Amino acid sequence: AQSVTQLGSHVSVSEGALVLLRCNYSSSVPPYLFWYVQYPNQGLQLLLKYTTGATLVKGINGFEAEFKKSETSFHLTKPSAHMSDAAEYFCAVVILTGGGNKLTFGTGTQLKVEL
Amino acid sequence: DGGITQSPKYLFRKEGQNVTLSCEQNLNHDAMYWYRQDPGQGLRLIYYSQIVNDFQKGDIAEGYSVSREKKESFPLTVTSAQKNPTAFYLCASSMARGPYEQYFGPGTRLTVT
Repeated sequence: AQSVTQLGSHVSVSEGALVLLRCNYSSSVPPYLFWYVQYPNQGLQLLLKYTTGATLVKGINGFEAEFKKSETSFHLTKPSAHMSDAAEYFCAVVILTGGGNKLTFGTGTQLKVEL
Repeated sequence: DGGITQSPKYLFRKEGQNVTLSCEQNLNHDAMYWYRQDPGQGLRLIYYSQIVNDFQKGDIAEGYSVSREKKESFPLTVTSAQKNPTAFYLCASSMARGPYEQYFGPGTRLTVT
């Protein structure tokens, strides 16, 4: 079975500091991996995705993530945090089934950005 | 603009009443999904549908029902059998075949008292 673990339900950084949100997955087959962002009382917005090919994936708003198969990780980073980055972030892995595809989500990491 | 709409944004109901949440998409996606979100629990899949007139139970389908009569629409009914219906409900859609990312609507917050 495939699953996703996000380490740290809350992360706090100073504005301008590095953002690092951790995600580890378990999968018996090569995974498709995603990061989503959610602002309060809104839906989820896709930040970036890894399917195949280049292991360093760039997304919107200056975020990027690196797929490391040996570590079964897909951590999300941003070099310099901005106040507008404060939100909840979800890592997800897709499960391919005979009936279609399903996303399994981590429990989320709330990012706080302080002045 | 293409996207997913959910209505209403906020919904209030009395205990014991059924309530239907609307989800419409104009992205021409074959697959649609309903999730429930509770604080600290991430998203949990309620039902999903890959094609019209077909749908499958997700992880927490008890107390919910759906229909898929049109490609664009996937309404969710929260029945009186759902023991704890107060939550934030999210609808999503995707292409039936890769690359598998799902696109989400703005959500409906349901409060049952």
